[in-house]
Amino acid sequence: AQSVTQPDIHITVSEGASLELRCNYSYGATPYLFWYVQSPGQGLQLLLKYFSGDTLVQGIKGFEAEFKRSQSSFNLRKPSVHWSDAAEYFCAVGARASGSRLTFGEGTQLTVNP
Amino acid sequence: EADIYQTPRYLVIGTGKKITLECSQTMGHDKMYWYQQDPGMELHLIHYSYGVNSTEKGDLSSESTVSRIRTEHFPLTLESARPSHTSQYLCASSAPGLARSGANVLTFGAGSRLTVL
Repeated sequence: AQSVTQPDIHITVSEGASLELRCNYSYGATPYLFWYVQSPGQGLQLLLKYFSGDTLVQGIKGFEAEFKRSQSSFNLRKPSVHWSDAAEYFCAVGARASGSRLTFGEGTQLTVNP
Repeated sequence: EADIYQTPRYLVIGTGKKITLECSQTMGHDKMYWYQQDPGMELHLIHYSYGVNSTEKGDLSSESTVSRIRTEHFPLTLESARPSHTSQYLCASSAPGLARSGANVLTFGAGSRLTVL
């Protein structure tokens, strides 16, 4: 069975600083990986996804993520954080065997200081 | 803009009441899902459907039930609500992904936050 770990429950950064959110997955084959963002009181919005090919993927709002098979990681990065990026971020993994049923991590709450 | 709609957004109800959370999507997606999310916690899949008249239980056991009579509609029902059902319920749908992939991209609704007193 697949699983996802987001080691950081809460991260605080200053506006303009760089950001990296960690995600580690467990799965026996090549996973399909996603990052979603959830603003307060809202549903989840897809930031980016990795299916295959180039291990560095670009998403919306200036986010990118890198798939590292050797480290079983799919960390999310942004070079310069904006106050509007404050939200909760979820990493998710899907696998061929489970079809489109995704397993989500516990989320990382991002606070942005002015 | 939202192509998947959930109502009500917020519901406060007494113990023992029957409730139905509505979920509708206008994208013609075959696959639909219900996730349960407690505050500050991960999402847990409680129900999913791969098409009309197809429903399956998810990874987390739930006392709720679902139906899929029409492609665009996937309501969730609790026959007798209890305080332990207090949570946020998120509906999602997906279209077929890449042919070689098994995972599809989920589009989420804004959620229904249920409080049972």
